[in-house]
Amino acid sequence: EPEVTQTPSHQVTQMGQEVILRCVPISNHLYFYWYRQILGQKVEFLVSFYNNEISEKSEIFDDQFSVERPDGSNFTLKIRSTKLEDSAMYFCASSGGLGSGNTIYFGEGSWLTVV
Amino acid sequence: DAKTTQPPSMDCAEGRAANLPCNHSTISGNEYVYWYRQIHSQGPQYIIHGLKNNETNEMASLIITEDRKSSTLILPHATLRDTAVYYCIVRAEYRDDKIIFGKGTRLHILP
Repeated sequence: EPEVTQTPSHQVTQMGQEVILRCVPISNHLYFYWYRQILGQKVEFLVSFYNNEISEKSEIFDDQFSVERPDGSNFTLKIRSTKLEDSAMYFCASSGGLGSGNTIYFGEGSWLTVV
Repeated sequence: DAKTTQPPSMDCAEGRAANLPCNHSTISGNEYVYWYRQIHSQGPQYIIHGLKNNETNEMASLIITEDRKSSTLILPHATLRDTAVYYCIVRAEYRDDKIIFGKGTRLHILP
């Protein structure tokens, strides 16, 4: 069964460093998303992406965050200068492939620890 | 904000049917009811969705009331691996409509 894959599964970074989280969405999907979950809290929407541009973003997704689809398969989330409060699980998701309706499928997540 | 209301937690004995309720009294005509679950620290897992008819797949059944203001997810024979947080979500049929997660129901399957 096709799945969303994410790398790395866990990353530890120093405060102020740049981090790039990578995702390979399901191959024929057209819509891509990033969510995050701070430990013990709800899963929160960050951003949605379609046709090579951001279609919607939340208040959390400030200028420190950016997304990119550098080629036909990868979808990345970059945090420019990490803060302690960026420590969270980040989930990539995709939807909207031909014949699959618009059900959103999630990856297993990348756990980011900022120290 | 999430447009659904779910009990914060429920218990179910292993092997029994788990019935998880959800209220969505403000659901619009073009919104589907989706169910996801999150097993500890894993990514949210899609379970099932429906518009107005009852739906069944290999994981669960979804019963939607005729007025569409509430629904019930049924796991017919719960196992310990079904212990998770279950999220009921209403979402428009637009292809890029995001999911907004609430707090969900924490389901404990008791041996």
